[in-house]
Amino acid sequence: GQQVMQIPQYQHVQEGEDFTTYCNSSTTLSNIQWYKQRPGGHPVFLIQLVKSGEVKKQKRLTFQFGEAKKNSSLHITATQTTDVGTYFCAGQGGSEKLVFGKGTKLTVNP
Amino acid sequence: SQTIHQWPATLVQPVGSPLSLECTVEGTSNPNLYWYRQAAGRGLQLLFYSVGIGQISSEVPQNLSASRPQDRQFILSSKKLLLSDSGFYLCAWCPTSGRAGELFFGEGSRLTVL
Repeated sequence: GQQVMQIPQYQHVQEGEDFTTYCNSSTTLSNIQWYKQRPGGHPVFLIQLVKSGEVKKQKRLTFQFGEAKKNSSLHITATQTTDVGTYFCAGQGGSEKLVFGKGTKLTVNP
Repeated sequence: SQTIHQWPATLVQPVGSPLSLECTVEGTSNPNLYWYRQAAGRGLQLLFYSVGIGQISSEVPQNLSASRPQDRQFILSSKKLLLSDSGFYLCAWCPTSGRAGELFFGEGSRLTVL
């Protein structure tokens, strides 16, 4: 079945440093989505990428979708303490299923 | 606007007891509905999803079951809970057309089985 791998599991950074999390799917995806979950909260949708090679930006966040539509990355420039949480990628193949990666837990030291 | 309600928010149940978690969506029709479980504050495991009333797809064999008695109601049940059923259960919905795929999550139900 479809599997989505995400690395690293944990990332500790100093405030102001950059952060990147990577996502790889075992199958070609129709789209990939990114979510953020704050401690004690529920996942909140950040963005969806659909096109091969697509790059989208949201302020300090940059999202990329690979040319083969099997991998993706989320890069945060100059992290802030408000960025703490767990970031999940989620891949959708040809069905209604959305398969999540295990997430990357980001902690930011002030 | 669309909203999703999930309850109860927290529950503590003894091993072997039954379980019923409920989820309802308002402000939309014919949504896709999902149950996820998150163990130990980590990854999201897809348990069930539904594309319509009475249509349930199971992803993981287990002692849990799901039902969709109405268009915007999704229920997660168990006849006898196991210790391993402890976790954070999340209901989610997405539209079946337009921006299909973006999931909107409920606040979650934190289950502790003792």
